[in-house]
Amino acid sequence: AQKVTQAQTEISVVEKEDVTLDCVYETRDTTYYLFWYKQPPSGELVFLIRRNSFDEQNEISGRYSWNFQKSTSSFNFTITASQVVDSAVYFCALRPNTGNQFYFGTGTSLTVIP
Amino acid sequence: DAGVTQSPTHLIKTRGQQVTLRCSPKSGHDTVSWYQQALGQGPQFIFQYYEEEERQRGNFPDRFSGHQFPNYSSELNVNALLLGDSALYLCASSADRVSTYNEQFFGPGTRLTVL
Repeated sequence: AQKVTQAQTEISVVEKEDVTLDCVYETRDTTYYLFWYKQPPSGELVFLIRRNSFDEQNEISGRYSWNFQKSTSSFNFTITASQVVDSAVYFCALRPNTGNQFYFGTGTSLTVIP
Repeated sequence: DAGVTQSPTHLIKTRGQQVTLRCSPKSGHDTVSWYQQALGQGPQFIFQYYEEEERQRGNFPDRFSGHQFPNYSSELNVNALLLGDSALYLCASSADRVSTYNEQFFGPGTRLTVL
């Protein structure tokens, strides 16, 4: 079975705080791809990052960083020094190598309070 | 470089009616996927079109059908609308012919309300 779990439904932080969004996935595929998307109130999903299952290097892009750990099937997303513009719903998604379907979690709604 | 575009933006229908939603993929993309996103939920995969054929389908009834045209644009048709079909319908495109990663880029969505 393919499944993505985002246990945090809503998070509120004060501006400039760091925040980590959790993502746990399940798949029997040995090769798969993980993604994070941001969905602002406008509704359009904005691609943030892709990670391949055979590449466990963590990645940093500006204030964003991602921690991929195959041992715990987790792909967590950290925003450093959060800003009001970071307020959105964030989705983690899994694409197994077999098939072309993306499996999305239920999303985490992040509110950054000025 | 235009991204993924969808039309219309909003749509209101009544139960039992039929609806057609349209999607134009990002330039250079050949694959279109459709998703249904109910309020407060993550997107659920409906189906994917590649080379004008339905390549994969999620757990949706036959009332949901689609089409892909030679220019890679796509339509999603829903027949016999139910109240539960009210959702944001998202179209995503990718360049599967040239990329193994299948990164999907999403359009702004069509908000369908069924009364």
